[in-house]
Amino acid sequence: DSGVTQTPKHLITATGQRVTLRCSPRSGDLSVYWYQQSLDQGLQFLIQYYNGEERAKGNILERFSAQQFPDLHSELNLSSLELGDSALYFCASSVGGKDTQYFGPGTRLTVL
Amino acid sequence: GQQLNQSPQSMFIQEGEDVSMNCTSSSIFNTWLWYKQDPGEGPVLLIALYKAGELTSNGRLTAQFGITRKDSFLNISASIPSDVGIYFCAGQQETSGSRLTFGEGTQLTVNP
Repeated sequence: DSGVTQTPKHLITATGQRVTLRCSPRSGDLSVYWYQQSLDQGLQFLIQYYNGEERAKGNILERFSAQQFPDLHSELNLSSLELGDSALYFCASSVGGKDTQYFGPGTRLTVL
Repeated sequence: GQQLNQSPQSMFIQEGEDVSMNCTSSSIFNTWLWYKQDPGEGPVLLIALYKAGELTSNGRLTAQFGITRKDSFLNISASIPSDVGIYFCAGQQETSGSRLTFGEGTQLTVNP
């Protein structure tokens, strides 16, 4: 158990819909990262937040957005969902902005 | 997209055998990490490497940070059935902050 929690574990929805994935970092960690894992693209970095502020952006679509709240939990919002958005979404956290990242168990999103 | 080339893609070995896998890149990385992912779970950190030439062990696992900073190797000695899973290399670059770039993964199967 990494100490990073993610909800829900599974999510099934339809194209065009919007979903929110939630992540709670390890106690004491200030940084949260979001990654997408798909069969064709592998594990890809999406975005990083540090203490409430966006720190780095990767291959994140404009339909996707994230935020980190004052209690340090983070949410990833995915809108106008397409079939190709079906993937595992992982959250990771670290103490600071550049320390070792520990991954949560992931949310499996299926878009039908 | 992916910048790390990981090989082999898959390995089928007998219990007790040693295993080697590697990761190469055309770019320099200042940190190399090795993760293991079990089905339905998030990646779990096995070993972190921070200096070129560094050789680090974690039980039966040994990893090395290549001298050129463009590669890394992971060895597993005396494999056991619970070593089954997907092993990922990941790297961090000075120019990309703390985001992780992942290899494609090595699927390891251990026959008892």
